[in-house]
Amino acid sequence: DGGITQSPKYLFRKEGQNVTLSCEQNLNHDAMYWYRQDPGQGLRLIYYSQIVNDFQKGDIAEGYSVSREKKESFPLTVTSAQKNPTAFYLCASSAGTAWGNQPQHFGDGTRLSIL
Amino acid sequence: AQSVAQPEDQVNVAEGNPLTVKCTYSVSGNPYLFWYVQYPNRGLQFLLKYITGDNLVKGSYGFEAEFNKSQTSFHLKKPSALVSDSALYFCAVRDMGGNNRLAFGKGNQVVVIP
Repeated sequence: DGGITQSPKYLFRKEGQNVTLSCEQNLNHDAMYWYRQDPGQGLRLIYYSQIVNDFQKGDIAEGYSVSREKKESFPLTVTSAQKNPTAFYLCASSAGTAWGNQPQHFGDGTRLSIL
Repeated sequence: AQSVAQPEDQVNVAEGNPLTVKCTYSVSGNPYLFWYVQYPNRGLQFLLKYITGDNLVKGSYGFEAEFNKSQTSFHLKKPSALVSDSALYFCAVRDMGGNNRLAFGKGNQVVVIP
């Protein structure tokens, strides 16, 4: 089945540590996204990528970094500069079009907590 | 900037009764609108979208939504709610910058009471 796989499902970070969240898709989608979900705040966009080797900052990019070296992979690193990383992180992908009329497909998320 | 508002934090409905989840939007130009559902500890699942055409859009699991341009609304509806419809529902609108971004509302918790 085609879809988006996020791993791990649960992740714990120590103070001063960088952690990387994995996101892989086999939908052949050009565009990929990372969101952060906090209770009562909906989804906030961290980074997005419309094509391989290119990505843009979203609304809350500070303390995060990404790479897009392969079409199917879009890992997110939560750096030690992110002071409040505890959240539910969601990865999504979509067939990229100039019109933005395609829905985004989501993985099942990674829950990150601080030790 | 584009935005959506979901004015109710929680919607309670008895099983078998009609379900409505409200969404209003603000965009410049023609809106592309989406509804998603999220079950606990899962990702979002796409329900339906409005791009153009008929104002009444039908989607997955018996849901439909009505686009109303004059009221800038896109309310999600289901004629007869099921207990399994209890979940978090998100409305979203396309970023008009043409870069495939979506702006999401805060979400509505729907509780269907048996």
